[in-house]
Amino acid sequence: EDKVVQSPLSLVVHEGDTVTLNCSYEVTNFRSLLWYKQEKKAPTFLFMLTSSGIEKKSGRLSSILDKKELFSILNITATQTGDSAIYLCAVDLRGAQKLVFGQGTRLTINP
Amino acid sequence: NAGVMQNPRHLVRRRGQEARLRCSPMKGHSHVYWYRQLPEEGLKFMVYLQKENIIDESGMPKERFSAEFPKEGPSILRIQQVVRGDSAAYFCASSPPRGANNSPLHFGNGTRLTVT
Repeated sequence: EDKVVQSPLSLVVHEGDTVTLNCSYEVTNFRSLLWYKQEKKAPTFLFMLTSSGIEKKSGRLSSILDKKELFSILNITATQTGDSAIYLCAVDLRGAQKLVFGQGTRLTINP
Repeated sequence: NAGVMQNPRHLVRRRGQEARLRCSPMKGHSHVYWYRQLPEEGLKFMVYLQKENIIDESGMPKERFSAEFPKEGPSILRIQQVVRGDSAAYFCASSPPRGANNSPLHFGNGTRLTVT
């Protein structure tokens, strides 16, 4: 069965800290890995990763994929209270038209 | 260019009633996906549709749930005889034909269904 596991499930840090969120996967037919940020509404797209070792960066957020070890990390530096959200990792399966999501990491940034 | 539009945003139904959730895809998108999110969980795939065709309904419960995407109008997710366990957020996403263009899915704001 295709599986995506995120850790930690919950994380509370102070503003300014750096955080690393983890996502590991076991799937039959990997196509790409995606990160989404979910506040109160729709998951909003952050990154899509298809190749190992190439870092994607957007402001204070960055992500990298390791296809040999089957995991990805999402880094957020100099965190702000607006980064508080649930971060979802998903794997897009080749040959199927669906995403398999992890259970999410609830990140709370305290001022 | 409006994004994926879902309505209603919130829906309250009593046990045994029917729930109808609507999704209008982004302009130019002919593929629609429905996902369900139970409290404190990630999103779970339910069904993938193209216009007038169900392509993959492997995530849809066998009973009480149905989905359609007619030639004209929005996609509809229909839940008959709702039970408390159906309470969840239902998200819709749309895309152009996937093919070689591996574009990410973009989601609507969801419908939060509460069954009392």
